[in-house]
Amino acid sequence: GAGVSQSPRYKVAKRGQDVALRCDPISGHVSLFWYQQALGQGPEFLTYFQNEAQLDKSGLPSDRFFAERPEGSVSTLKIQRTQQEDSAVYLCASGTSGGETQYFGPGTRLLVL
Amino acid sequence: RKEVEQDPGPFNVPEGATVAFNCTYSNSASQSFFWYRQDCRKEPKLLMSVYSSGNEDGRFTAQLNRASQYISLLIRDSKLSDSATYLCVVTPYGGYNKLIFGAGTRLAVHP
Repeated sequence: GAGVSQSPRYKVAKRGQDVALRCDPISGHVSLFWYQQALGQGPEFLTYFQNEAQLDKSGLPSDRFFAERPEGSVSTLKIQRTQQEDSAVYLCASGTSGGETQYFGPGTRLLVL
Repeated sequence: RKEVEQDPGPFNVPEGATVAFNCTYSNSASQSFFWYRQDCRKEPKLLMSVYSSGNEDGRFTAQLNRASQYISLLIRDSKLSDSATYLCVVTPYGGYNKLIFGAGTRLAVHP
């Protein structure tokens, strides 16, 4: 079956531009996570949704980062006024309710110039 | 101090070698433990869960020591295809399964 998909796969932005990254989770998955992975580091938690409810956004690095999942399926991570330090791979993962296994998408590689 | 610490490596080993990775975690209340594998420019994929009783999956053996807050992964008879970064992962106690990753240990298996 279809896995988690993310788009775009690559994004180059000029500093100060706004970007929107999309995640299509596995159909029926209740849980959705966003992670940020800087070069040479492990992924770091950004935010968590259960259906359409954003239950934890403690990992969002600043108020320039905003995530939504309005209908409980597709999610968008938006970064306003991008900075060079936002350059990273943004990974989305989905899982079943209460399940421990998270299935990762291929990620969006963001480069801010 | 990071919540999950790993030796970054790289570990360069010949095919057929046995290699062991270690990881420590700082939060004694951590609930679940995993090893993920990440190939270059790919997403992380679950390799195996880790239990106090130890668990084995083919050539891979994982062990958890809660008292020492220490997790290990042993790979026997290394293959070229084992070359990857191995990420040690824990989840916090209670609630949902937010994953907390170590920085990863790189393994390069050569002929």
